[in-house]
Amino acid sequence: SSELTQPPSASVSPGQTVSITCSGDKLRNKYASWYQQKAGQSPVLLIYQDKRRPSGIPERFSGSNSGNTATLTISVTQSMDEADYYCQAWDRSAGVVFGGGTKLTVL
Amino acid sequence: QVQLVQSGAEVKKPGASVMVSCRVSGDTLTEVSLHWVRQVPGKGLEWMGGFDPENGDTIYAQKFQGRVSMTEDTSTDTAYLEMSSLTSEDTAMYFCAQGHGSGSYVWFDPWGQGALVTVSS
Repeated sequence: SSELTQPPSASVSPGQTVSITCSGDKLRNKYASWYQQKAGQSPVLLIYQDKRRPSGIPERFSGSNSGNTATLTISVTQSMDEADYYCQAWDRSAGVVFGGGTKLTVL
Repeated sequence: QVQLVQSGAEVKKPGASVMVSCRVSGDTLTEVSLHWVRQVPGKGLEWMGGFDPENGDTIYAQKFQGRVSMTEDTSTDTAYLEMSSLTSEDTAMYFCAQGHGSGSYVWFDPWGQGALVTVSS
């Protein structure tokens, strides 16, 4: 089992907002990153250092981190956002840890 | 902009070893901290190890220590992942990724296209 816990699935209607959580002691006082992985593709960085967006990532992707829970929020969700989403953090003893992933369905 | 191009798919028998490569373009390997992440079909991402610029050394996930070796050839800007004593549970897509940050945080961008390793008798 992952040391970072994500819900295995989430669903959203087009145009609506969805939030995906990631929780675990490994997040306490640590930065979280988020990745999007579409079927058959490599992961793509969406968010780093809790809330920073790399260039080219739409503003509708946002991140936050409080206590031991990080959250990825997708606003005005589009059909192209249907993918698996993974959170990730760094722990000095365990190294890099990933969440188990959340499969987002856009209904 | 860094690009990572990985070697092709491999099929290996149980007990064998495999080497996967990751060529860096857009920068030199000496300026890039490379990490390796694998993904068993239908499962999540699993970090295997990578270069930690804070201590200047390669660090391995405990699960893979002793069975995995990550090396670099700076003359060709190519990194290698070698894994020995393969079992069917090692059947997975193996990704290289550029790591950023150090100390209390690291993130990965970009990622290579992945190399599928199939272990089957």
